[in-house]
Amino acid sequence: VRLVESGGDLVQPGGSLRLSCVGSGFTFSDYWMTWVRQSPGKGLEWVSDIDQDGSVKYYVDSVEGRFTVSRDNAGNSLSLQMNSLRAEDTAVYFCARRGMTTLTKWFDPWGQGTTVIVSS
Amino acid sequence: DIQMTQSPSFVSASIGDTVTITCRASQAIGDWLAWYQQRPGKAPKLLIFAASSFQSGVPSRFSGSGSGTHFTLTISGLQPEDFATYYCQQADSFPLTFGGGTKIEIK
Repeated sequence: VRLVESGGDLVQPGGSLRLSCVGSGFTFSDYWMTWVRQSPGKGLEWVSDIDQDGSVKYYVDSVEGRFTVSRDNAGNSLSLQMNSLRAEDTAVYFCARRGMTTLTKWFDPWGQGTTVIVSS
Repeated sequence: DIQMTQSPSFVSASIGDTVTITCRASQAIGDWLAWYQQRPGKAPKLLIFAASSFQSGVPSRFSGSGSGTHFTLTISGLQPEDFATYYCQQADSFPLTFGGGTKIEIK
C-alpha cells in the first residue's frame, strides 16, 4: 500500500495550487481519503475528508470555501485544490487513507508529504 | 470542536524505560481515539486505533488504554527507534483533531 503526493510549491498569498495524491497497492475506491497538514515545527491538523464516491466531503473551518477535495477513482488519485492561499496555509500536506466506513476515522497509511509555502 | 490535550509535551528517557503519555478530550469520545508515531522528517504512522487496538506490525511494547475523556499510551521498554513524537487523534466527530504531541528524547 503506497500513497505519493505531488504538487507542492512556493506560491504568493492569494494564489492557487493543486495537490495530488496517487494510491497503489489497494482498491482505492473502497476507502475514504484524507488530507492532513503540518506547519513547520508544529503539530498535525486535519484538513479534509472525502468518501468513496466523492459525494460526501468535510473540511476544517479554516479552509472551508477556499479548498476543494476531489478524487478520480479510475486513476486512483486524490486532489486538493487550494485557492486564496494565506501564509498560515504554509505546511507539509499529507494524504492518508482512512477506513472503509464512516466510523473508521483514523489514518493508515500516510504519504510522504508535499510542501506548500505561501510567501511573497 | 473537540480539543485534545496531551501531556507531557516533552519526555527525556533512557533505553529500557517505561513511558506513559496522557491524552484528554474536551468531551467524551467513547473509544474513538488513535495514536500515531512520527519520526523526524517522516510521515506519521498509526500505532493504536479504537483506543487500545494494535495496528498490524506494531510491537507489543506499545499499549493503549482509556475511554471517554482520558486515554494513555504506554511504551514498555523504550527502544532506540521509539525516540520520536507521538500524537493522539480523536476519531469521534468532525472536525477531527489531534493532540499537540509528545516528544520523547534520549536522556
